[in-house]
Amino acid sequence: SQKIEQNSEALNIQEGKTATLTCNYTNYSPAYLQWYRQDPGRGPVFLLLIRENEKEKRKERLKVTFDTTLKQSLFHITASQPADSATYLCALAGGSSNTGKLIFGQGTTLQVKP
Amino acid sequence: ETGVTQTPRHLVMGMTNKKSLKCEQHLGHNAMYWYKQSAKKPLELMFVYSLEERVENNSVPSRFSPECPNSSHLFLHLHTLQPEDSALYLCASSQGGQNYGYTFGSGTRLTVV
Repeated sequence: SQKIEQNSEALNIQEGKTATLTCNYTNYSPAYLQWYRQDPGRGPVFLLLIRENEKEKRKERLKVTFDTTLKQSLFHITASQPADSATYLCALAGGSSNTGKLIFGQGTTLQVKP
Repeated sequence: ETGVTQTPRHLVMGMTNKKSLKCEQHLGHNAMYWYKQSAKKPLELMFVYSLEERVENNSVPSRFSPECPNSSHLFLHLHTLQPEDSALYLCASSQGGQNYGYTFGSGTRLTVV
C-alpha cells in the first residue's frame, strides 16, 4: 500500500539556522508533491507545490526538492525564526483522477528556539 | 480567515445524537473535501465532491453522511457516533485537479461522549 513517512520526532533548531524536513514515500508515483504548515487547533495552510519534472522550487525563505528516484522530498526553511515553529505536512497527488485527491504524511513538528 | 469557514468550531455530542457540520467557501473552487484528523495520525480523506458530485467515499462508515447542495456548501451529517470518532474534522476546497493547493478551514473539534 502507499506509504508516506515524515520524521515523527520533533525537530529542534536554533533561530537563524536552516531547518530541513524530510518526506519519503513508497509504493507510489506521485505527479505532484505539496507542503503545508499546520498550527495547533488550526487547519493546514498550503505553502508550496512541486511537480515530478521539477527538481527544486523556492518561495521566499522556503525551498523544496523532489527526487523521484530516491522517492524523497526535502523541505528547507532558511534563516529560521521562532514564528516558523509549527507542524509541517507533506502531501502527494497522482493518478488520472481530476479530483486532486491528496494523501498526507503524519507531519513533522519544528521548534525554533530564540 | 482562509476563505473556507467551518461551523461549529467545537461540538460535544452523545452517541445517540444527530448533528451536522457545515463548511462554506466563496473562493470559486469546484472541489470540496472532508478530512478526519486524529491525534498522532495523518489526515484521513473521507469524501470528495467535484462539481457537486460525490466522486470518492473512502470506506467511511454510514454513520457519516455528506451532502453538497451547491458548489459553495458542504455538510457532514453525523448520527450514532462512537467515542473513537472524536477528532478534528477538516473541510477543504480546491480548483480541482492535482495542480492546486487546498484551502482548509479551521476545523470542527468533535468530542463524542
